[in-house]
Amino acid sequence: ETGVTQSPTHLIKTRGQQVTLRCSSQSGHNTVSWYQQALGQGPQFIFQYYREEENGRGNFPPRFSGLQFPNYSSELNVNALELDDSALYLCASSLEVTGAGNEQFFGPGTRLTVL
Amino acid sequence: EDQVTQSPEALRLQEGESSSLNCSYTVSGLRGLFWYRQDPGKGPEFLFTLYSAGEEKEKERLKATLTKKESFLHITAPKPEDSATYLCAVPVYNQGGKLIFGQGTELSVKP
Repeated sequence: ETGVTQSPTHLIKTRGQQVTLRCSSQSGHNTVSWYQQALGQGPQFIFQYYREEENGRGNFPPRFSGLQFPNYSSELNVNALELDDSALYLCASSLEVTGAGNEQFFGPGTRLTVL
Repeated sequence: EDQVTQSPEALRLQEGESSSLNCSYTVSGLRGLFWYRQDPGKGPEFLFTLYSAGEEKEKERLKATLTKKESFLHITAPKPEDSATYLCAVPVYNQGGKLIFGQGTELSVKP
């Protein structure tokens, strides 16, 4: 069973640029969630995709957008990068949204640095 | 407002010195509480799910328990390799199946 994978591992961008982060969900999982984690903080929910549809969104501006593909892999796009976007971006997949099987399993993360 | 609070923020133990980490939560309709371990610069590693008050789960030196208002992660005779940040999280469903995390407890175990 393959776990959650993310790419790239690290990324350095400058303010105003755009970035795309990628995630492959664990085998058999149809739900993908994205989180942003600042140093010393717990992860903050960005949004969730369930069977290719956005299933919920946290308090992030519209310049954070995403996609989920038919194979349930996912992308996170961030436009007009700001310095405060520097963080560890985490992808998590789960078998179900609610009920049994709703445990979310995380990938290794992408460390984004905005200069 | 749904909220998760962990204490202490940091905990330093000697090898073999048992202790407990606390996770207090306020959510409308608990549908599970998750514990994760996170090593520096890495993604959280799933440890346990607890669904109902009174439930307990164990894994090696770790034991998680759940009441109606809080969860405890008990660490028995810890080893240096148990050093990590421990996160608890609860799912809420008014914004999809998002997890609300506590800020974590940074555990350091010295030999």
